[in-house]
Amino acid sequence: DTAVSQTPKYLVTQMGNDKSIKCEQNLGHDTMYWYKQDSKKFLKIMFSYNNKELIINETVPNRFSPKSPDKAHLNLHINSLELGDSAVYFCASRHRGTNEKLFFGSGTQLSVL
Amino acid sequence: GENVEQHPSTLSVQEGDSAVIKCTYSDSASNYFPWYKQELGKRPQLIIDIRSNVGEKKDQRIAVTLNKTAKHFSLHITETQPEDSAVYFCAAIFMNRDDKIIFGKGTRLHILP
Repeated sequence: DTAVSQTPKYLVTQMGNDKSIKCEQNLGHDTMYWYKQDSKKFLKIMFSYNNKELIINETVPNRFSPKSPDKAHLNLHINSLELGDSAVYFCASRHRGTNEKLFFGSGTQLSVL
Repeated sequence: GENVEQHPSTLSVQEGDSAVIKCTYSDSASNYFPWYKQELGKRPQLIIDIRSNVGEKKDQRIAVTLNKTAKHFSLHITETQPEDSAVYFCAAIFMNRDDKIIFGKGTRLHILP
């Protein structure tokens, strides 16, 4: 019964390809996030959705497009992958209304060759 | 802008000694400060958090202190054990930025035998 699950766990692909990462949470949270963790372990926020609405959009290239079909899902699609996109991508969720704790998914290690 | 500074970036302590990690934040409206522990290859996991209406919170060997005036908060780990070796992240929630949760850059804690 994983609370925040993301797939795939590993993704190896060539430069220029398009790929997607999926995230689902079964905690009933209203807000979901994508964070990028680079090789130096910095955790940088990319996007946040609250009740399917985009509320945070950091200076991320528009090759990255998040999509939230419902409150329980937040997917990340990346077009024209570049070497610098290699990182671990973490999905996370919380209940914003009650200022609840942030829970992370297990991460997707993306390697662009 | 929103910022969370974390020090030190690396910390080595002898097993059994105490470890202290310090963070400062920029938004005086921040009211929630979690700490996460990330073991190698795993997701960040919440270990303790504190809200702005308290100055200190303790959970067994872990404690967090908050100084709202100075915008400082610290993590204290006593009687350190080998399993405490990990990367620790502090974070603050930025109320004026759509509840954005910003992380410090992490502290790599090594427990020496």
